[in-house]
Amino acid sequence: EVQLVESGGGLVKPGGSLRLSCAASGFAFNYAWMSWVRQAPGKGLEWVGRIKSKTDGGTTDYAAPVKGRFTISRDDSENTLFLQMNSLKTEDTAVYYCTTAGGSNWGQGTLVTVSS
Amino acid sequence: QSALTQPASVSGSPGQSITISCTGTISDVGGYNYVSWYQQYPGKAPKLMIYDVSNRPSGVSNRFSGSKSGNTASLTISGLQAEDEADYYCSSHTSSNTRVFGGGTRLTVL
Repeated sequence: EVQLVESGGGLVKPGGSLRLSCAASGFAFNYAWMSWVRQAPGKGLEWVGRIKSKTDGGTTDYAAPVKGRFTISRDDSENTLFLQMNSLKTEDTAVYYCTTAGGSNWGQGTLVTVSS
Repeated sequence: QSALTQPASVSGSPGQSITISCTGTISDVGGYNYVSWYQQYPGKAPKLMIYDVSNRPSGVSNRFSGSKSGNTASLTISGLQAEDEADYYCSSHTSSNTRVFGGGTRLTVL
């Protein structure tokens, strides 16, 4: 059974940093392209970014609002996806979901609140 | 990259069919056959219902179907059931090698 479990969310002040993790199991993580999607309270879904598998180059792409502030990385030896978030803004407050890039599988989400 | 345009809400009675539209541009919906549709219940993670415009993942009811014409994709739900009441989102690949979501549509089953 495919499982994606996010962790690392919490309350952080504007300008601060946070690192989210997503533990994957039940599929060949090292071959999977993975994405992060977020959802602000009461709002719609917003694509954050994607990382390709290392066999496909391991490159990343980001949505304009987070480019230069967020970094996606992966540790295939630990089947774990990461989202490093720097220079956080209040508008980054959202539930952050880890997903397989095709959208077939989603984690339960982790809440990030950016507030002073 | 602007969000794709969806109606804020649609409604229908049990047994009826409804269609949700998703309008983009030639740089996203119109340029690629990589449109997906998601169903989301309150407080839950989204679920993939349609991928690559018209393909259904295993386990998704055949009451759900997808199509595309020009820059507009559509999700049709036939034989509407109470359990279909949820939020629906479209998503497309873009020419910037990113993805973009629609604003979401709240489906109400009357």
